[in-house]
Amino acid sequence: QPVLTQSSSASASLGSSVKLTCTLSSGHSTYTIAWHQQQPGKAPRYLMRLEDNGRYNKGSGIPDRFSGSTSGSDRYLTISNVQSEDEAEYYCETWDSNTHVFGTGTKVTVL
Amino acid sequence: EVQLVESGGGLVQPGGSLRLSCEASGFTLSRYSMNWVRQAPGKGLEWVSYISRSSNSRYYRDSVKGRFTISRDNAKNSLYLQMNGLTDEDSAVYYCTRDEDVDLGIDCWGQGTLVTVSS
Repeated sequence: QPVLTQSSSASASLGSSVKLTCTLSSGHSTYTIAWHQQQPGKAPRYLMRLEDNGRYNKGSGIPDRFSGSTSGSDRYLTISNVQSEDEAEYYCETWDSNTHVFGTGTKVTVL
Repeated sequence: EVQLVESGGGLVQPGGSLRLSCEASGFTLSRYSMNWVRQAPGKGLEWVSYISRSSNSRYYRDSVKGRFTISRDNAKNSLYLQMNGLTDEDSAVYYCTRDEDVDLGIDCWGQGTLVTVSS
């Protein structure tokens, strides 16, 4: 079963960029992941699917400033031109044999 | 508009039972596998259970095996989670979720329903 590792927190100034990392455990470096955003007091929202080749497919209505990229076992979510509404918890997710696994989440604070 | 709406949460005593429901709209439920995911207060997301499109396959996390049962009624556009033998560790917001496609991850979330297990 894959394990996903995320940093607990990150911060970014309004209008800047921030890059979040989700690392797949050994032996699972080719897995596709998904990124989800959870704003305070709200349900999670699907952002994108991110493949091991760096290709990503965003959900409906997700702003252009959200993008994904890959390097080895690392999967990244970059938020450009950070806005106040981007202050949220960000979770990565993967799956194996129809069971799902989530990372512990990264809390993004907008300064 | 694709929408998932959960119901059935509430306060229940330890050892009690609860049945959660999720009504799907804006898409054809029978074309998608579905899951329940939960989130304890102040904690992260935790996958609970999966059901395939035709209900042929069902999976559970170890901590709920033998106590929880996932089911669906495609004709009624509904997903269910029967929870028995509840403990305080089952207290959480329960989310109904849709898988994007076969062997892909979650691409849609409901708003959640709160389950509180307490005496």
